Amino acid sequence: GQNIDQPTEMTATEGAIVQINCTYQTSGFNGLFWYQQHAGEAPTFLSYNVLDGLEEKGRFSSFLSRSKGYSYLLLKELQMKDSASYLCAVMDSNYQLIWGAGTKLIIKP
Amino acid sequence: ETGVTQTPRHLVMGMTNKKSLKCEQHLGHNAMYWYKQSAKKPLELMFVYSLEERVENNSVPSRFSPECPNSSHLFLHLHTLQPEDSALYLCASSQEWASGSGGELFFGEGSRLTVL
Repeated sequence: GQNIDQPTEMTATEGAIVQINCTYQTSGFNGLFWYQQHAGEAPTFLSYNVLDGLEEKGRFSSFLSRSKGYSYLLLKELQMKDSASYLCAVMDSNYQLIWGAGTKLIIKP
Repeated sequence: ETGVTQTPRHLVMGMTNKKSLKCEQHLGHNAMYWYKQSAKKPLELMFVYSLEERVENNSVPSRFSPECPNSSHLFLHLHTLQPEDSALYLCASSQEWASGSGGELFFGEGSRLTVL
């Protein structure tokens, strides 16, 4: 079966750096996506990786290793507003998005 | 504001009621989706429409009935639901379906459904 694993919850301190990992086993691969979802709000797209390596976008970076079935989302200079759930999703060979259950990130002052 | 609007935001219904959820996208996208989100579970894809044609139906019970009258509007008709159907129902759109851009979804705020 297809599977996406990510930690259920993480805690970090304001101003620090946090890395949220995502491992996947899917039938084929057509890209990996990260979304942010604040409580009570819609998920919003953060990043897309289809080739190995690091994609940087401001304070957020996303890394992909296709051979290891592994990605991480790196958040730098954490702010209180970064408290949210982070969803990892992989597009399989049929262009279906396979979703992880999300990682709830709690930022403490 | 994501360009995708859902109504109502909250809905409470009995098991014998009939209600509908509405979604409208203002992005000119060709694909629209219904997802179910339950606490601590992955998003579950329910239906996909591409250019107003249903292209995916992931074994969803017939008590959920989608309708896509045009590329900007999507409905989810609900009847004789069960308490376990209580969840957040999210509508989304993407530029195309079955392509890399199909993974960049624009979600509505969701309709929180409670079935008594």
